[in-house]
Amino acid sequence: GQQLNQSPQSMFIQEGEDVSMNCTSSSIFNTWLWYKQDPGEGPVLLIALYKAGELTSNGRLTAQFGITRKDSFLNISASIPSDVGIYFCAGQGAGGTSYGKLTFGQGTILTVHP
Amino acid sequence: DADVTQTPRNRITKTGKRIMLECSQTKGHDRMYWYRQDPGLGLRLIYYSFDVKDINKGEISDGYSVSRQAQAKFSLSLESAIPNQTALYFCATRGQGNYGYTFGSGTRLTVV
Repeated sequence: GQQLNQSPQSMFIQEGEDVSMNCTSSSIFNTWLWYKQDPGEGPVLLIALYKAGELTSNGRLTAQFGITRKDSFLNISASIPSDVGIYFCAGQGAGGTSYGKLTFGQGTILTVHP
Repeated sequence: DADVTQTPRNRITKTGKRIMLECSQTKGHDRMYWYRQDPGLGLRLIYYSFDVKDINKGEISDGYSVSRQAQAKFSLSLESAIPNQTALYFCATRGQGNYGYTFGSGTRLTVV
């Protein structure tokens, strides 16, 4: 099946620093999404990307849908303690068997030191 | 009330026992999903349903079964629980034309 490779697996940063994480795949995706999971909760959608090359911002978050449709990145600027959590990329593939289903990356665990 | 409610939130069960995890939603979405989360592996799809009469296996369906009792309810069963089914389980819903899922808060299952 389709797989997403998300990196890095974990990050330890100081408050105020910028953060960058990315996802790559050997398959083409039609849609890329980025989710954040707080401890004890389910993932919550941060940003959705629908077109190759699309760059979208949501406050301090910026995400891009790669031109090749096989990758995406998420940047967080000026990190704050509440940014702590697990960040997941997810994609919907282009093939018929991918209809209606999302494939998730392994997650990036973000720790922010005050 | 939450849009997607999962019960129980936590459960410890013994090897060989049958257990059911329940999910209900108030969003009126047709599509419902069960995912399993393990550290370092992300979220993996167990089963999904596009409407009451439609049930599909995901990538890791062995050892699991589901029932879509109504549009709003989708339950996951472990027929005979084993320790490597210890994980965090999430139910999610998705509306037509909407690519984002809405997740429940999860059920933490421990099989001893």
